[in-house]
Amino acid sequence: DAGVIQSPRHEVTEMGQEVTLRCKPISGHDYLFWYRQTMMRGLELLIYFNNNVPIDDSGMPEDRFSAKMPNASFSTLKIQPSEPRDSAVYFCASSPLVGGADEQYFGPGTRLTVT
Amino acid sequence: KNQVEQSPQSLIILEGKNCTLQCNYTVSPFSNLRWYKQDTGRGPVSLTIMTFSENTKSNGRYTATLDADTKQSSLHITASQLSDSASYICVVSGGYSTLTFGKGTMLLVSP
Repeated sequence: DAGVIQSPRHEVTEMGQEVTLRCKPISGHDYLFWYRQTMMRGLELLIYFNNNVPIDDSGMPEDRFSAKMPNASFSTLKIQPSEPRDSAVYFCASSPLVGGADEQYFGPGTRLTVT
Repeated sequence: KNQVEQSPQSLIILEGKNCTLQCNYTVSPFSNLRWYKQDTGRGPVSLTIMTFSENTKSNGRYTATLDADTKQSSLHITASQLSDSASYICVVSGGYSTLTFGKGTMLLVSP
């Protein structure tokens, strides 16, 4: 398996523009997670899905952020409009199970810079 | 409030030396504790996982310990190598859907 795939790897955009980050989880994993990582705050869980259904979105910072999972092999995280404080590395991870012994497999991340 | 505190924030050691990273948590209830290694520019990769009943777990030169009574964990790296330079993140699971992340310890192994 190729692991979790994220695209793009790097994104530079201007404030106010819409940004869409993409993720393909590992086949057979029922859980998909979106994280944001900054130097100041470390890794933060934004939202996670179980069988394509959003379970917990309490980590989504505000209404400018939205996430979808239209099928088991694809998810998007959208920021509209983007702001400079959204600059961070965004990780997608998948897992067969959440909270248990099964580990989460992380993608390589998307480094977002909003100018 | 669930929290995971890691220390030190950063560490520089000479190649071949040992080091120990610390993780203190206040997560309740407790399910398991996992250490991740994150190389620069990459996603975290799991090193070890320990449940409540386990107090030691090894993965090659990495040995994690857990004291569930004091809510402390440590990650010991033996005979460090340049490739050990990375960020090490402690993650505590509090049960269904609850994951609390530490901010990590940045380790630099110098030749």
